[in-house]
Amino acid sequence: AQKVTQAQTEISVVEKEDVTLDCVYETRDTTYYLFWYKQPPSGELVFLIRRNSFDEQNEISGRYSWNFQKSTSSFNFTITASQVVDSAVYFCALRVNYGQNFVFGPGTRLSVLP
Amino acid sequence: ETGVTQTPRHLVMGMTNKKSLKCEQHLGHNAMYWYKQSAKKPLELMFVYSLEERVENNSVPSRFSPECPNSSHLFLHLHTLQPEDSALYLCASSPSLGDEQFFGPGTRLTVL
Repeated sequence: AQKVTQAQTEISVVEKEDVTLDCVYETRDTTYYLFWYKQPPSGELVFLIRRNSFDEQNEISGRYSWNFQKSTSSFNFTITASQVVDSAVYFCALRVNYGQNFVFGPGTRLSVLP
Repeated sequence: ETGVTQTPRHLVMGMTNKKSLKCEQHLGHNAMYWYKQSAKKPLELMFVYSLEERVENNSVPSRFSPECPNSSHLFLHLHTLQPEDSALYLCASSPSLGDEQFFGPGTRLTVL
């Protein structure tokens, strides 16, 4: 069975601080995909990134970066120089190969204070 | 319009009412999904459609009835709901099954 854990329920930071959101996954499949989504107060989940299990290169997109480590089954997300607009619930998700179901983590609520 | 739209955005209904939620995607995707998001619970996948055929039904009570008349539209028909069905219902689409999903803004449902 697949499982995604986001141990941090809520995080508060002050604007311009860096913050890392943790994601730990469990699967016995060797081929799988990991995702991060952002859910702002408006409710709509916004797709941020997809990585497959064979690509462990870290990715940077502007202030966002992702650290994928198969050795620890983690796919952590870092926001550099956080802004108030980053306040949202962030979900990590897992899909195994040949499966159409996404398994979502419980989410981490990030509050960035001015 | 672009992306995934959902109507209505908010719905309040009694336990004996019948209502429908509508989802429309303008992305040319082949797969569509219904999710339920309750407070303090992970997102729950309810139904999956691929090319208008249902491919997943995750033990959802029969008081929820999906319909996918074409690849751009998805409905969720509701009848005889319970107060515990109050939640945010999210629709999503993806190019094909398993691809990254694009979500609509959701319908906030309250069952009295």
